[in-house]
Parts: sequence; C-alpha cells; structure tokens
Amino acid sequence: EAGVTQSPRYAVLQEGQAVSFWCDPISGHDTLYWYQQPRDQGPQLLVYFRDEAVIDNSQLPSDRFSAVRPKGTNSTLKIQSAKQGDTATYLCASSRGQLSNERLFFGHGTKLSVL
Amino acid sequence: QQKVQQSPESLIVPEGGMASLNCTSSDRNVDYFWWYRQHSGKSPKMLMSIFSNGEKEEGRFTVHLNKASLHTSLHIRDSQPSDSALYLCAASKSNYQLIWGSGTKLIIKP
Repeated sequence: EAGVTQSPRYAVLQEGQAVSFWCDPISGHDTLYWYQQPRDQGPQLLVYFRDEAVIDNSQLPSDRFSAVRPKGTNSTLKIQSAKQGDTATYLCASSRGQLSNERLFFGHGTKLSVL
Repeated sequence: QQKVQQSPESLIVPEGGMASLNCTSSDRNVDYFWWYRQHSGKSPKMLMSIFSNGEKEEGRFTVHLNKASLHTSLHIRDSQPSDSALYLCAASKSNYQLIWGSGTKLIIKP
C-alpha cells in the first residue's frame, strides 16, 4: 500500500513570499488533515477535509493560509505571505472514515524555514 | 490551555531500563487514546491505541488506561537506543477530532 506523499520536502523563503504544499493521501482514505508541527512539539491541526468538504478550519490563519481538496483526493495548502513564525514542519495525514478508532497515516512532511 | 497533557517533557533512560510516559486528557468527551512515535526528522507513526480500561501489551510496549481519570501511560521495557524519539499522545472524540499532546522526548543512553 502506497503511503501519504508530500512535496516538496523542504522550502526556504524570505518573509512575504508565498509557498504551496501538496499532498496525495492513501487511496481510499476520505479524510485528510493538515498539521503544523513546530520543532520538538506536538502537531497542531490547521484544517481537515472529508472528501472535498472542509470539516474544521478554525485553526487556519485565514488571512494568509488556504487549503483545498477539490476532487476529494489530492490537497494543496498555501501560505500567501509567509512570516518567520510559520517556520515549522507541515504534515499531511489521511485516514479512512470518520470513526474515532481509525488511525492516521502521516506523510514525511515539508520542512519550512522562513528567514 | 492544552487539553492533553503529557509528562515528563523529556526523559533519559539507560539502555535496558524501563521508560514510563504519562498522558491525561482534561476533555471528558474522548473515547480513544493513541500513542504515536516520531523519530527525529521523520513523520509520526502509530505505536499503540487503547479504548478499554486496563492494559494492552505488544512486545516490549505496554499501555495502561484509566477511563475514570482519563489517564493513559506507556511503558517501554528493555529500552533500546532505537526507542529514542518524540512520543506523542492523542485523544479522539466520537466526531473524530484528535487532540494532541506536546510530546515526551525520550533519550535512551547506551
């Protein structure tokens, strides 16, 4: 079974620049999550989708961040104008269904550095 | 306020020793607990999960759960250097919101 695929692996930006992250979940997984993980901390949910619908984006800084999953498969997370505080690893994860006993499978993440 | 608290923040255990990690949820609307392990530079991978009172053992790893206190603990016996990692606890709700702790950084000293 192929895992969750993310690209790019690394990104280095100046403040004010834009960046997009791409995620391809495991085939058949209808739930997709984007997390921000600062160094040596736990993941913090940004947004999650069930199929193409946004279920929770309450933690997404909507003035600069956006996320889409137009066909319920791949997803893109975009930062319009990056700030140094956005420096973190951005993790995509997927799971089957919406039961609380379904484990998450994570991609390898995109490590973002904003200078 | 962190709704899932993990302790300690970091832990150093000699090789071959026992590592004990703790996790408590302050949100009573949770029904499943997860332990994920994240090696440096890698993504988190699910280690164990538990939803019933009691304990569950898989090899060198044992998880305990007390649902009344919403406390879970992970114990690693005969710790190996390869067990050095960030251990993340998460609690899930019936609507499948996952609440994550900040993690315990475990270092196994050879």
